[in-house]
Amino acid sequence: GAVVSQHPSWVICKSGTSVKIECRSLDFQATTMFWYRQFPKQSLMLMATSNEGSKATYEQGVEKDKFLINHASLTLSTLTVTSAHPEDSSFYICSARDGGENEKLFFGSGTQLSVL
Amino acid sequence: GQNIDQPTEMTATEGAIVQINCTYQTSGFNGLFWYQQHAGEAPTFLSYNVLDGLEEKGRFSSFLSRSKGYSYLLLKELQMKDSASYLCAVLDSNYQLIWGAGTKLIIKP
Repeated sequence: GAVVSQHPSWVICKSGTSVKIECRSLDFQATTMFWYRQFPKQSLMLMATSNEGSKATYEQGVEKDKFLINHASLTLSTLTVTSAHPEDSSFYICSARDGGENEKLFFGSGTQLSVL
Repeated sequence: GQNIDQPTEMTATEGAIVQINCTYQTSGFNGLFWYQQHAGEAPTFLSYNVLDGLEEKGRFSSFLSRSKGYSYLLLKELQMKDSASYLCAVLDSNYQLIWGAGTKLIIKP
């Protein structure tokens, strides 16, 4: 079946550095990709929606200059957390929408970010 | 309003089978997820159903009936390490995840 590969699974970084998370659809073309974030003991929250070749649409309250999303191809989207701070420590998960008939969504395995 | 219901707690015996049910009422439907979460850890993705039917993945299976707003997670050959919370979540029409409160599964030897 379709697989979405998300990398890295875990990342620890120093405050002030930038971290890039990759999301790849391995055997289908993803017309749309979504990025989610989960705070401890809270629900998974949609951060942004990105369509290939266009700017991402960010949810209210999400800083677009801090969370840079690039969806340059139909198989790859990246989320860059710029100048990360401890409050950015969270679980980030991506999903990709298959542009085929079923338009099924497939999720990556998530990235646990810890900012020291 | 939007609502996801699942039992608060279940107990089962090691080696047995357990079924965790989830019913939902949401504004739109783009799929249903099951996650496993051990205390103090990030949730682990288990399954995603968007079409009716049963999807099997090793010891875990997930079933969906969209007309009934119902899903279940079936765990076979239970192991002690399966003791965790199991979260049901529905992706609504805005691609927001609506979460159930979770079912705490206790496995006894």
